[in-house]
Amino acid sequence: GNSVTQMEGPVTLSEEAFLTINCTYTATGYPSLFWYVQYPGEGLQLLLKATKADDKGSNKGFEATYRKETTSFHLEKGSVQVSDSAVYFCALSEGSGGGADGLTFGKGTHLIIQP
Amino acid sequence: SAVISQKPSRDICQRGTSLTIQCQVDSQVTMMFWYRQQPGQSLTLIATANQGSEATYESGFVIDKFPISRPNLTFSTLTVSNMSPEDSSIYLCSVLARIIQFFGPGTRLTVL
Repeated sequence: GNSVTQMEGPVTLSEEAFLTINCTYTATGYPSLFWYVQYPGEGLQLLLKATKADDKGSNKGFEATYRKETTSFHLEKGSVQVSDSAVYFCALSEGSGGGADGLTFGKGTHLIIQP
Repeated sequence: SAVISQKPSRDICQRGTSLTIQCQVDSQVTMMFWYRQQPGQSLTLIATANQGSEATYESGFVIDKFPISRPNLTFSTLTVSNMSPEDSSIYLCSVLARIIQFFGPGTRLTVL
């Protein structure tokens, strides 16, 4: 079956540091890939997505590129802020139709940014 | 986007009882989903609920334990039946809007 593996947290960084959160997946066919974020006290919200190989999703300074050859979708940001402190989830959906199928989630990475 | 509300936001229940969780969305959607997030774990899909058809359950989840209703295009309920402490989780509904799943705030359930 499908699975998503992402680095365990918590990840603690200083403000303005470079961020990478690794995500790899196992799936049949060509899944759609997502990063969701959950800020403290808030619900889960979509951060970015990519629906086919070599696509780059981006939002709020975050980027992730769909790498079929390495089955990866690593999340990056060049300079993190305290407000980026949250739990980040990598997820996939079978097929290239976006999230039309149920999502398979990674375990989540708790990111803590210190001033 | 879609605005989703869930009721209750949290509850503490006794084992052997049942709890029905409501999910309301501010626009008509065809596809709704129910997920569970156990303590320290990831989100796991319970079932897909499309209006006008029976819910489709994932492996490990059965209708007798998690009956779902989908009476119209803006509302769904999930019942957690005959609860045990292992059912203590956050339960989330989501809806599909323009190929993206939007999530509700979740219902935090504690079973004693």
